Amino acid sequence: SQQGEEDPQALSIQEGENATMNCSYKTSINNLQWYRQNSGRGLVHLILIRSNEREKHSGRLRVTLDTSKKSSSLLITASRAADTASYFCATDRDTGRRALTFGSGTRLQVQP
Amino acid sequence: GAGVSQTPSNKVTEKGKYVELRCDPISGHTALYWYRQSLGQGPEFLIYFQGTGAADDSGLPNDRFFAVRPEGSVSTLKIQRTERGDSAVYLCASSPSPGLHYNEQFFGPGTRLTVL
Repeated sequence: SQQGEEDPQALSIQEGENATMNCSYKTSINNLQWYRQNSGRGLVHLILIRSNEREKHSGRLRVTLDTSKKSSSLLITASRAADTASYFCATDRDTGRRALTFGSGTRLQVQP
Repeated sequence: GAGVSQTPSNKVTEKGKYVELRCDPISGHTALYWYRQSLGQGPEFLIYFQGTGAADDSGLPNDRFFAVRPEGSVSTLKIQRTERGDSAVYLCASSPSPGLHYNEQFFGPGTRLTVL
């Protein structure tokens, strides 16, 4: 079963605007990761944040993690048409199990 | 270097047939994962190999699904007596040794399986 839930399910913005996606999960985790998927095929790893971290940056990406609320957000600044894709959060639980549990994704459309 | 590769990219079969899906992980990656993704959903875990052994097969939906990794590199996912509900994109991922890189997984392009 899916642990994570992304919000919103779909997001449409103009180029240059910021896009914010949220993810909630249910169990204690080791890490939370964000992945991007184009055209329903392979996923590309974007960023990983550990359970003892609260914020992380990578280029135009900013991820926050609130373990007390079991939630994370992904911010893409100054979006580009090439950012159009589906974005998934994925968690691995603190039980040592290495399988990732994915949310159902946010479909981002960036209009040029 | 080469990423994770999967063959075939598309597979169309008839209900009741047997199929094999292949995954070539990144060289040197000891961990290999299979996931299944239905339309509009996120990937769902099937099975995880550490080396040659299946360390976690709790995601396999039933005994029609089986996977092997005999030499600790290439893996084959086998589905017997396919059903229409098996139609999905099957994704393979690999990662370095446990404890490194905090479980970042590298995904292949997937195999789209269609059961008619």
